[in-house]
Amino acid sequence: NAGVMQNPRHLVRRRGQEARLRCSPMKGHSHVYWYRQLPEEGLKFMVYLQKENIIDESGMPKERFSAEFPKEGPSILRIQQVVRGDSAAYFCASSLAGGPGNIQYFGAGTRLSVL
Amino acid sequence: QKEVEQNSGPLSVPEGAIASLNCTYSDRGSQSFFWYRQYSGKSPELIMSIYSNGDKEDGRFTAQLNKASQYVSLLIRDSQPSDSATYLCAVYGGATNKLIFGTGTLLAVQP
Repeated sequence: NAGVMQNPRHLVRRRGQEARLRCSPMKGHSHVYWYRQLPEEGLKFMVYLQKENIIDESGMPKERFSAEFPKEGPSILRIQQVVRGDSAAYFCASSLAGGPGNIQYFGAGTRLSVL
Repeated sequence: QKEVEQNSGPLSVPEGAIASLNCTYSDRGSQSFFWYRQYSGKSPELIMSIYSNGDKEDGRFTAQLNKASQYVSLLIRDSQPSDSATYLCAVYGGATNKLIFGTGTLLAVQP
């Protein structure tokens, strides 16, 4: 029973390039969340998606960042024209359903380094 | 005021002692409370969830919730060096309708 799968584990990009982070939720889970963690800081919510729908993107920067969770395939977090400040660990979590009673399980994360 | 506050630590306890980790939250409408453990460079791992006032025990771990005081804690009995990690308190906010994390408390268990 595979957990939440994220790839790549490490991603190096130069300023101005695009970064694509992928997340496959746990089997049977249709709710996906993306978080960003900067060094010495807590996890910050970015976006919450269900299949083909963005439910809440209030934590995502308005420019350069986008997320999708298509009917088939993994959820994608896309960062265009990366800057040094985008360097962080990006974690994906999934849950069986939405709402307060549902536990979110985390993937291993993608560590993005922008040169 | 931060939505979820934790003492950053480090909290140092000797092996075999009880470690007590504390967390306060600002949203009085919060409904669900979680403790995650995160080893350095790794992903958060769920330790405990608690939804109603009182204590909830699971092995060496006890979560305590006091909604009137907006306070949640985690006790780790018989602490082991392998418990050394950052412990993240997470609260599902009633107003925000999302999971809000504290910055975490670093626990160091000394052999």
